[in-house]
Amino acid sequence: GAVVSQHPSWVICKSGTSVKIECRSLDFQATTMFWYRQFPKQSLMLMATSNEGSKATYEQGVEKDKFLINHASLTLSTLTVTSAHPEDSSFYICTAGTGARETQYFGPGTRLLVL
Amino acid sequence: RKEVEQDPGPFNVPEGATVAFNCTYSNSASQSFFWYRQDCRKEPKLLMSVYSSGNEDGRFTAQLNRASQYISLLIRDSKLSDSATYLCVVKGSGGGADGLTFGKGTHLIIQP
Repeated sequence: GAVVSQHPSWVICKSGTSVKIECRSLDFQATTMFWYRQFPKQSLMLMATSNEGSKATYEQGVEKDKFLINHASLTLSTLTVTSAHPEDSSFYICTAGTGARETQYFGPGTRLLVL
Repeated sequence: RKEVEQDPGPFNVPEGATVAFNCTYSNSASQSFFWYRQDCRKEPKLLMSVYSSGNEDGRFTAQLNRASQYISLLIRDSKLSDSATYLCVVKGSGGGADGLTFGKGTHLIIQP
């Protein structure tokens, strides 16, 4: 149990396009999902907290208008990178849990390459 | 000051040896602590939680020293498959949902 999927697993796009990444909890309902980003040889950095039915909470330095998060149901959160640029190329990972203090389960990640 | 600090390594260790990693964290109010393992180009996988009393899982032993804000991981009888990056992870103390704060990781290479 406790499987989290992400789609797509990798994407290559041109600069200026928008990319949507989906995070799904397959066998449990996730009230909270987190989005992280990892640049090469860097640690994972929390971007935002996605709460079902309410607005996402963004970490300092993360542009909410650029990284749109929608947690429309208890099993799905989406991250849309709007007008992607090469500096947005990164490994994006989501985690999902059943509550703020519950174990968070990792998705397999999405590799984004913006040309 | 970084929130979670680790020696990035790499640690080159012969198979069968014992290796220890350390980590320090800056937020004294942090409540939960973990070691994750990350293989190249993969998502992190939970290795073990770290408790104040110390805990052991097979060849792996984790220790927490709250006074010094210090976490350790000991791997005994290391295997080739232990080669990976080990991430020290801390979870905050605030009310509501808290994300995880990751260290940069310590790269371990087990040599045959």
